Amino acid sequence: EPEVTQTPSHQVTQMGQEVILRCVPISNHLYFYWYRQILGQKVEFLVSFYNNEISEKSEIFDDQFSVERPDGSNFTLKIRSTKLEDSAMYFCASRGLAGSRQETQYFGPGTRLLVL
Amino acid sequence: RKEVEQDPGPFNVPEGATVAFNCTYSNSASQSFFWYRQDCRKEPKLLMSVYSSGNEDGRFTAQLNRASQYISLLIRDSKLSDSATYLCVVNVYQDDYKLSFGAGTTVTVRA
Repeated sequence: EPEVTQTPSHQVTQMGQEVILRCVPISNHLYFYWYRQILGQKVEFLVSFYNNEISEKSEIFDDQFSVERPDGSNFTLKIRSTKLEDSAMYFCASRGLAGSRQETQYFGPGTRLLVL
Repeated sequence: RKEVEQDPGPFNVPEGATVAFNCTYSNSASQSFFWYRQDCRKEPKLLMSVYSSGNEDGRFTAQLNRASQYISLLIRDSKLSDSATYLCVVNVYQDDYKLSFGAGTTVTVRA
């Protein structure tokens, strides 16, 4: 069964450093998402991406965040200057085959980011 | 008001028991409803979609009440493997299918 993959599984960084989290969505999916989950809290939407542009972003997704689909397979989330409060599990998700209204979002295993 | 509210539990039940819990959502324009399951430190995984007429998938039954903006999940004949956090999830089509998650209901099934 196809699945979303994410790398790295864990990332430890110093405050102020840049990090790039990588995701490979399910092949032929067209809609891509990043969510985050701070330890002990709910999953929160960050950004959605379709047709090579951001379609929606949350208040969390400020100027320190960016997303990119540099090639036909990868989908990345960059945090330019990490803060302590960016420590969380970051989930990538994808959905939708071409021509369908498939709603189910499939989640990757997540990247656990720890900012020191 | 939170977009999606759930009873956090925990629900601690013996194997074979029935457990049920609820969720309410605030946005009346919400169009799609789901129950996801999340194991500790893992990703959310779709358990089932929730349809207006209510639907069943094996031991799991979901109900939707649009008038009261209320969703429920019932687990019959609980198994040890049902121990997890159950996430109530909704989306609003005009929000590009972004999912709004509840904080989750923790269920522990004991032998």
